[in-house]
Amino acid sequence: EVQLVESGGGLVQPGRSLKLSCAASGFTFSNYGMAWVCQAPTKGLEWVASISTGGGNTYYRDSVKGRFTISRDNAKNTLYLQMDSLRSEDTATYYCARHGQLGFDYWGQGVMVTVSS
Amino acid sequence: DIQMTQSPSLLSASVGDRVTINCKASQNINKYLNWYQQKLGEAPKLLIYNTNNLQTGIPSRFSGSGSGTDYTLTISSLQPEDFGTYFCFQHNSWPNTFGAGTKLELK
Repeated sequence: EVQLVESGGGLVQPGRSLKLSCAASGFTFSNYGMAWVCQAPTKGLEWVASISTGGGNTYYRDSVKGRFTISRDNAKNTLYLQMDSLRSEDTATYYCARHGQLGFDYWGQGVMVTVSS
Repeated sequence: DIQMTQSPSLLSASVGDRVTINCKASQNINKYLNWYQQKLGEAPKLLIYNTNNLQTGIPSRFSGSGSGTDYTLTISSLQPEDFGTYFCFQHNSWPNTFGAGTKLELK
């Protein structure tokens, strides 16, 4: 069974940093691209970033370019999102998702990030 | 970016009803259109991928159709567990984008 479990969320002040993790199991992690998708309170879904199977290719939405870094450790079956220079508009639930040829086919339960002073 | 316009934003229906949700892309997305269901407090779940392919384990009352810029999700006979919010999603072009969602509620 595919499982994705996010961690690392919380309350952080504007301008500070936070690092999210996503532990994957139930599939061969290194064979799949991965992504982060966010959902602001009472809002829709937004793709944030994606990473290729080996980590050599990364993609970001414009609003997070230069502030967020997606990475992965295939030996640990773990996906990361380093979030720097956080803004109030980054407040959202962040989902880790498997990003394959079908789009996002499996999702984690999400982790809440609140950016507030 | 490709804009995905979903309609309606709110749909009230009864158990047993046939319902349709529409999604219109701002440009041709070559059938790279997925549908997701999300229940309150839960992660989205993939229902249909690439317009009309049912994800494993999804009941056959769900179906999808469309081409070019216009796509439809149909639930043939609504069940109590089907209430929630539905999102369309295009993965034809970067950045991949979602529709704003359709909340399906009990009439």
